[in-house]
Amino acid sequence: DAKTTQPTSMDCAEGRAANLPCNHSTISGNEYVYWYRQIHSQGPQYIIHGLKNNETNEMASLIITEDRKSSTLILPHATLRDTAVYYCIVLPGGSEKLVFGKGTKLTVNP
Amino acid sequence: DVKVTQSSRYLVKRTGEKVFLECVQDMDHENMFWYRQDPGLGLRLIYFSYDVKMKEKGDIPEGYSVSREKKERFSLILESASTNQTSMYLCASSIPGQGYGYTFGSGTRLTVV
Repeated sequence: DAKTTQPTSMDCAEGRAANLPCNHSTISGNEYVYWYRQIHSQGPQYIIHGLKNNETNEMASLIITEDRKSSTLILPHATLRDTAVYYCIVLPGGSEKLVFGKGTKLTVNP
Repeated sequence: DVKVTQSSRYLVKRTGEKVFLECVQDMDHENMFWYRQDPGLGLRLIYFSYDVKMKEKGDIPEGYSVSREKKERFSLILESASTNQTSMYLCASSIPGQGYGYTFGSGTRLTVV
């Protein structure tokens, strides 16, 4: 599986956009980018995923560069409840197993 | 609301005991997983099952076994608990081939003394 690189931690002010980067320079053509997050004392929760095109849902937006070597998860208006560890995961389509890295600890400050 | 339910939130066991961690899902998912999570090491896959009575080792299966007799239930077994198995254990389920469809339980914090 392709490896990902994320910053260890980030801070964001409440109400501002949180932009979480992820590098995946060895990604293959059939590999998707998935984002999950884990709020303290809970299991991970799916946020969004994409292959080539930018994606948006009710939780977040995902921007994937044209060469697919990096991506950014955007939380448009971060709230205190968005404080969590965010995991960027790259997997081939049809793969059965999620493999988690260390993720980025996002702290949203009042 | 769809759910993955882990039977215990907190568990304390003695070294050498046989320990069963139970997980039940109500989504009719084929795949089920057991992860452990430790500070600084993240989530690591112990075992997964892609069908009843089918299982596959994950990255750290040593000291663990699993049982899946029914589609909705996946058990993690510590044959002889040791202190280095003190950890947070997370169960998940998913539809095959859908990396976006994982649902996790809230976890069981196991302490082995």
